[in-house]
Amino acid sequence: KAGVTQTPRYLIKTRGQQVTLSCSPISGHRSVSWYQQTPGQGLQFLFEYFSETQRNKGNFPGRFSGRQFSNSRSEMNVSTLELGDSALYLCASSKTSGPNTGELFFGEGSRLTVL
Amino acid sequence: KNQVEQSPQSLIILEGKNCTLQCNYTVSPFSNLRWYKQDTGRGPVSLTIMTFSENTKSNGRYTATLDADTKQSSLHITASQLSDSASYICVVGNDYKLSFGAGTTVTVRA
Repeated sequence: KAGVTQTPRYLIKTRGQQVTLSCSPISGHRSVSWYQQTPGQGLQFLFEYFSETQRNKGNFPGRFSGRQFSNSRSEMNVSTLELGDSALYLCASSKTSGPNTGELFFGEGSRLTVL
Repeated sequence: KNQVEQSPQSLIILEGKNCTLQCNYTVSPFSNLRWYKQDTGRGPVSLTIMTFSENTKSNGRYTATLDADTKQSSLHITASQLSDSASYICVVGNDYKLSFGAGTTVTVRA
């Protein structure tokens, strides 16, 4: 059974550009959540999608957005990149939605560097 | 504010030795507590998930304990191996969201 797949694994952008990251969840999982991980802040919740609807959102500016497609694949977009957006972006999939959901399965992450 | 505090921030142990990581939380109401292992450059992998009624759970050489009264959890690693070198993240959930600890970095040396 394939795990959570994130693409690209690594990318370098410059300030002001925008970036789109992709996440394919485990087959049968309908919930995808996104997290930003930095050395100083640890894991921070960005948003969660379930059946193409955003169910929950963290405290990030509107430059961070996402969407989910009918096949449960999800994308997140960051516009007008800032140096502070450099981070590991992780997505996780689960069968159900919400914080009481069962096990979360994380992808390997997309490492974004903003120059 | 819901918080999850982990200690120590990092530790170094010799291969074969045991160690215990701590997690204190103020999340309320409490729903579940999870421990994840994250190897460098990889995504986190679930070790254990405990609910209010569970006070201990094992996954191989990893044993998690939970005291919901004092809002404390620990993760005990038995007979450490070099592959245990990783960051261990404590996550506490209530009805609304998951709160993440900053993690404890464990380095196992031969």
